[in-house]
Amino acid sequence: DSGVTQTPKHLITATGQRVTLRCSPRSGDLSVYWYQQSLDQGLQFLIQYYNGEERAKGNILERFSAQQFPDLHSELNLSSLELGDSALYFCASSDSGRGADTQYFGPGTRLTVL
Amino acid sequence: AQKVTQAQTEISVVEKEDVTLDCVYETRDTTYYLFWYKQPPSGELVFLIRRNSFDEQNEISGRYSWNFQKSTSSFNFTITASQVVDSAVYFCALTNSGSARQLTFGSGTQLTVLP
Repeated sequence: DSGVTQTPKHLITATGQRVTLRCSPRSGDLSVYWYQQSLDQGLQFLIQYYNGEERAKGNILERFSAQQFPDLHSELNLSSLELGDSALYFCASSDSGRGADTQYFGPGTRLTVL
Repeated sequence: AQKVTQAQTEISVVEKEDVTLDCVYETRDTTYYLFWYKQPPSGELVFLIRRNSFDEQNEISGRYSWNFQKSTSSFNFTITASQVVDSAVYFCALTNSGSARQLTFGSGTQLTVLP
């Protein structure tokens, strides 16, 4: 158990809908990262937050947004969902958000868009 | 730009065989960090090891060992006396100490250990 929690574990929804994925980092970690794992794209970095502020952005679609709250939990919002958004979404956390840190991953949220 | 290549898509071995998973990386940075993660069939990503670019000592942890060679930009992972529980997808990843802190992952190697 990495100490990172993600809810829900599974999510099934329809095209055009909007969903919210939630992540709680390990105790004491200030940085949260979101990654998407799909069959065709592999593991791709989406976005990083550090202590409530956006720190880095990767291949995140404009339909996707995220935030980190004062209690350090983070939410990833996916809107106008398309079939291609079906994937495993991981949240990871690290203590300071520097490259030297180890990122510990949550169990993931499997999103299925029908 | 950073890149990680895991040329072996799938490897199948019989239990108790040794197996090496290859990882080749590309980066322009002089300071960087390499990682291996394991993804078992249950789906979670489990951290195995982190290696700093300025530390080329090889590391052994039980049946696992890692060979880091800067000269060939490789960070290979060997499992000795493999077991069925080692069956998983293994990912090599890279990050640097600069502003881009995200992990760049390889495409992964599916390891199947047969009884």
